Amino acid sequence: EAQVTQNPRYLITVTGKKLTVTCSQNMNHEYMSWYRQDPGLGLRQIYYSMNVEVTDKGDVPEGYKVSRKEKRNFPLILESPSPNQTSLYFCASSSRTGREQPQHFGDGTRLSIL
Amino acid sequence: KQEVTQIPAALSVPEGENLVLNCSFTDSAIYNLQWFRQDPGKGLTSLLLIQSSQREQTSGRLNASLDKSSGRSTLYIAASQPGDSATYLCAGSAGSWGKLQFGAGTQVVVTP
Repeated sequence: EAQVTQNPRYLITVTGKKLTVTCSQNMNHEYMSWYRQDPGLGLRQIYYSMNVEVTDKGDVPEGYKVSRKEKRNFPLILESPSPNQTSLYFCASSSRTGREQPQHFGDGTRLSIL
Repeated sequence: KQEVTQIPAALSVPEGENLVLNCSFTDSAIYNLQWFRQDPGKGLTSLLLIQSSQREQTSGRLNASLDKSSGRSTLYIAASQPGDSATYLCAGSAGSWGKLQFGAGTQVVVTP
């Protein structure tokens, strides 16, 4: 089954404790992206990657890091999480011809940073 | 930067009525315009994608139009059903097709 898998689905942690949210896709997609969703602000793009070793900032990259060492994985790293990063996070992927093909989304990761 | 707006924020209709959802964007040099559905506690499901060279796309009861000159896209859902209740989001990219801006969404309730 074609899917985008995020782990963990839920996490409660404390300020300053480094965490990684993993994202994996099994569709051989070149493009992957991370978003956060907050009430009243909608979905905002954090980082995206057009291919392996190619990453670019979205609209809200501050406080986040990403890496794309393999095509299927695109982890989101919070080096020193803060309460304002409490949010619902989504990973998405799309084929290289992203202009013509829609994005596939994971089920989301709900992060609470105390 | 592409700005995407959806009005209204919420909509309630009786079953059987046609739904019309609006999306406006600021940059007419748009690569594509996508419509998504989001159910509570779930991720987004792609409904329709309209490329910049297209005027509309159709899938079953869904039809989406794109008017770049006016900066608008409209999603029509014919003969609405209670199962259509969800939040509908539109998203567009300009400048770089990888950089996507979302509208805040329209929450739809279809009452039996």
